[in-house]
Amino acid sequence: QKEVEQNSGPLSVPEGAIASLNCTYSDRGSQSFFWYRQYSGKSPELIMFIYSNGDKEDGRFTAQLNKASQYVSLLIRDSQPSDSATYLCAVIGEGSNYKLTFGKGTLLTVNP
Amino acid sequence: EADIYQTPRYLVIGTGKKITLECSQTMGHDKMYWYQQDPGMELHLIHYSYGVNSTEKGDLSSESTVSRIRTEHFPLTLESARPSHTSQYLCASRVGGNTIYFGEGSWLTVV
Repeated sequence: QKEVEQNSGPLSVPEGAIASLNCTYSDRGSQSFFWYRQYSGKSPELIMFIYSNGDKEDGRFTAQLNKASQYVSLLIRDSQPSDSATYLCAVIGEGSNYKLTFGKGTLLTVNP
Repeated sequence: EADIYQTPRYLVIGTGKKITLECSQTMGHDKMYWYQQDPGMELHLIHYSYGVNSTEKGDLSSESTVSRIRTEHFPLTLESARPSHTSQYLCASRVGGNTIYFGEGSWLTVV
């Protein structure tokens, strides 16, 4: 079983809509969860991190973590064409010593 | 954000050549990482370091080697480049807590 799985894309939403990106992880002891955004040909940039169960909001972005279900999600409100990118879920597993494990990513397209 | 510098950004090189990709940061971060990413594919950890003279292989087997003689530098070397090494190589650094930031990447093409 792959350690970090993301919902298969691509995901297409109209401008102004809410985009929902999902991620599950296999290591139940994982403590730290990250969402990165990667534009084509660029390096990943950190959007948000979350450590505790519940929601964490930062502007138009909300990360949600449910450790019991081993599930983390990212909601993007009022999606803009500039949000079109690949979104990468990453996890630091228990005992991994600060090594990030990435999912394959979900390609999001926001249509004007 | 961390200031992580990678050079060269783009490199086209012939088969059999030795190459070194440079990665540096000036903030004294202890943990540094090298990831490899083929176009449109996922990132794979190939090397990491917890400090000076500490290097470990990552999850993806790589023919490259790394060194950490100084805290600021974490260079990656390929002794004999092959077309299969064509990829993007991303250096990252742990800034604090569990926050890890990436440099801009080095695109390597071996012809």
